[in-house]
Amino acid sequence: QVQLVESGGGLVKPGGSLRLSCAASGFTFSDDFMTWIRQAPGKGLEWLSYISGDSSIIYYADSVKGRFTISRDNTKKSLYLQMNNLRAEDAAIYYCTNVADSSIEYWGQGTLVTVSS
Amino acid sequence: DVVMTQSPLSLPVTLGQPASISCTSSQSLQHSNGITYLSWFLQRPGQSPRRLLYKVSNRDSGVPDRFSGSGSGTDFTLQISRVEAEDVGIYYCMQGTHWPQLTFGGGTKVEI
Repeated sequence: QVQLVESGGGLVKPGGSLRLSCAASGFTFSDDFMTWIRQAPGKGLEWLSYISGDSSIIYYADSVKGRFTISRDNTKKSLYLQMNNLRAEDAAIYYCTNVADSSIEYWGQGTLVTVSS
Repeated sequence: DVVMTQSPLSLPVTLGQPASISCTSSQSLQHSNGITYLSWFLQRPGQSPRRLLYKVSNRDSGVPDRFSGSGSGTDFTLQISRVEAEDVGIYYCMQGTHWPQLTFGGGTKVEI
């Protein structure tokens, strides 16, 4: 069955960096766009970034452009999110998802990022 | 940018009774290819979201047929024909028509 397993979350100080990872299995990873979506405590869902299967197409939401970098390694079936210059408002659960036919089919369990001094 | 608006924000329901959630987009969600990329998700308490419907009305595998979707253009509806206890949670609509953005509605909390 399909599994998306995020890791790398934790406590970081404002201005710090963190790298999230997502290990995928159960589907043809290299075929799909992949995204990162986050959910601040008690809030709704916010799309952050996506990357095409061959990494040739990458987009970011304005809220993270210039600070976050999405990447993938198809040989490892892994998705990454490098987060720099973190702010208090970046505190959230970060989800890894695929995109198939312009919709999100699978979600990971999420990894929690806390930004606090 | 496309804005997705859901109503109501909170929906008290009665077991066995129908329920309905509305989702409105600021722009038409019909793609130039004729397909409307509107999806619905349910996030149960303490869980990740799970997709229920895609392309307006297509149910995902394992989704009970009491869930149905309808609508076109800018106005969409998720209907539950007879609410069951496991349907409690927050429902989100999402548009996938207007790339590069994937935009979610603010969510509707369904509680018994």
